[in-house]
Amino acid sequence: DVKVTQSSRYLVKRTGEKVFLECVQDMDHENMFWYRQDPGLGLRLIYFSYDVKMKEKGDIPEGYSVSREKKERFSLILESASTNQTSMYLCASSFAGGVTRGNEQFFGPGTRLTVL
Amino acid sequence: AQKITQTQPGMFVQEKEAVTLDCTYDTSDPSYGLFWYKQPSSGEMIFLIYQGSYDQQNATEGRYSLNFQKARKSANLVISASQLGDSAMYFCAMREPVSGGKLIFGQGTELSVKP
Repeated sequence: DVKVTQSSRYLVKRTGEKVFLECVQDMDHENMFWYRQDPGLGLRLIYFSYDVKMKEKGDIPEGYSVSREKKERFSLILESASTNQTSMYLCASSFAGGVTRGNEQFFGPGTRLTVL
Repeated sequence: AQKITQTQPGMFVQEKEAVTLDCTYDTSDPSYGLFWYKQPSSGEMIFLIYQGSYDQQNATEGRYSLNFQKARKSANLVISASQLGDSAMYFCAMREPVSGGKLIFGQGTELSVKP
């Protein structure tokens, strides 16, 4: 089974702290994604990566950065956490390729981050 | 402009009955893929079903089927014989070739199954 794991299920941080959220997948997927989920807004893409050391901005990259030093690991970094970054953060991975059957994204369990 | 629209924030269904969750989408690309995910209270997103824009038949996966109406740009999820464990958030999503592997999600529909 595909497995995507995230470093924490729940996290509480203070305003101004640097926060690292880590995601690891074990299926040799090329693509990895970070989303945030807020009530009524669905999932919004923060950053994604097609390959090691490669990153692209999603729809809401402000206040975030990412790192992908190894194929299986994709980290989300909040440089200086703010209260409006309190949210659920979901990591996902998929094979590269076009719009084909079976190329769905697999998600981790999510990290619920609270910034005080 | 919103590319994926789910107009039902919340729905109730009686156990063992069928329910339809609505999803409309907007794209000018003839090639695209549509996905439905389930998110129980535990938080993990679970892939349910996929429909390709060129697929001739509506997708089915067990109790899930996708009512794909291409001309109307709708991709409604039908759950037959609802079970208590179907209570969850349901998200419709779309992928276009120009966006690579990115998915665009709708706002979600919260389904509650009543015993």
